[in-house]
Amino acid sequence: GNSVTQMEGPVTLSEEAFLTINCTYTATGYPSLFWYVQYPGEGLQLLLKATKADDKGSNKGFEATYRKETTSFHLEKGSVQVSDSAVYFCALANNNNDMRFGAGTRLTVKP
Amino acid sequence: DTGVSQDPRHKITKRGQNVTFRCDPISEHNRLYWYRQTLGQGPEFLTYFQNEAQLEKSRLLSDRFSAERPKGSFSTLEIQRTEQGDSAMYLCASSRGSGTESGELFFGEGSRLTVL
Repeated sequence: GNSVTQMEGPVTLSEEAFLTINCTYTATGYPSLFWYVQYPGEGLQLLLKATKADDKGSNKGFEATYRKETTSFHLEKGSVQVSDSAVYFCALANNNNDMRFGAGTRLTVKP
Repeated sequence: DTGVSQDPRHKITKRGQNVTFRCDPISEHNRLYWYRQTLGQGPEFLTYFQNEAQLEKSRLLSDRFSAERPKGSFSTLEIQRTEQGDSAMYLCASSRGSGTESGELFFGEGSRLTVL
């Protein structure tokens, strides 16, 4: 079945450091891939998405490229800020009623 | 506030009691989902409604769990005869769309259940 495996946390970085959170997936068909973020005290919200191979999703300085050949969707940001501290979830879906989430990676950015 | 709202935010109950959670989705969204999230894990799919029709239920949703969306607007999730293993965050999400396109889910802040 469909599943997502993401890098275990927690991840602690200094402000302006480069961020990578790895995500790989197993799926039938051609799923869409997502990164959701959960800031402290808030609900999950969509950060970015990609719907087909080689698409790059981007938002708020974060990027992820849908790599079919490596079944990956790694999240990157060139220079993190304290306000990026949150839990990040990789997810995939063949359709809306089958969205599967990874376990989440907690990021803490220190000033 | 036009987001997804859930009530109550936190419920503490004794084992064996029944609990009910309510979700009010974004008004124009026809799809509504329930997920369960335990500490250190991502959300796990429980069930899904398209308007008032419950179209899919996960095997995680035992007979003690029932969800309704009677008028295609708000939804309730009831857990009967709660067990300590039911302790978790129950998340509601909504989306617009039909067919099989994958869109954005809008999540509420969740209802945390603690079973003593």
